[in-house]
Amino acid sequence: GIQVEQSPPDLILQEGANSTLRCNFSDSVNNLQWFHQNPWGQLINLFYIPSGTKQNGRLSATTVATERYSLLYISSSQTTDSGVYFCALWYNNNDMRFGAGTRLTVKP
Amino acid sequence: DGGITQSPKYLFRKEGQNVTLSCEQNLNHDAMYWYRQDPGQGLRLIYYSQIVNDFQKGDIAEGYSVSREKKESFPLTVTSAQKNPTAFYLCASTQQGRQGTQYFGPGTRLTVL
Repeated sequence: GIQVEQSPPDLILQEGANSTLRCNFSDSVNNLQWFHQNPWGQLINLFYIPSGTKQNGRLSATTVATERYSLLYISSSQTTDSGVYFCALWYNNNDMRFGAGTRLTVKP
Repeated sequence: DGGITQSPKYLFRKEGQNVTLSCEQNLNHDAMYWYRQDPGQGLRLIYYSQIVNDFQKGDIAEGYSVSREKKESFPLTVTSAQKNPTAFYLCASTQQGRQGTQYFGPGTRLTVL
């Protein structure tokens, strides 16, 4: 089956710093999503980005489907950005496969 | 506001008991999903349903059962056959199946005593 690998597994930043999270996948995909899971467990959609680049405020994402990776950029990080970031891909028509996540801690 | 609700937020169960987790959505989405999340792990698919009265097993369906009698509702029953049910359970929905953005409920944390 498709493999989804995220890096780094853990990331600690000082407030105001920038960061890049990476998602590598083993097969071609039609769609990819980035999620943020807050400390209470709620998963929030960040981007639906099968290809190209999107931006939403301090966050942006780029997916290069031909090279099988996606990047999530966080600029001017805030403590509220802390949590776990997941990328997920649709696989086998109806199965969404998640990576293991990147745990981000932003210190004040 | 449209969204997905799950209840209860916390659930405690004795070994050998079946429990049912509720998931309701008012987004008019066709497809609904149940995931399990263990500490420090990603999400794994338990069951999904593309339309009413139809559902399919995911990767870890053993010990779980579902029903889809209404478009809005997709309850998950954790049976006594599930050997290690303590986990965080998340329900999700999409409008267009695999082509759509997936939205999640707030989750139910199940603990077996």
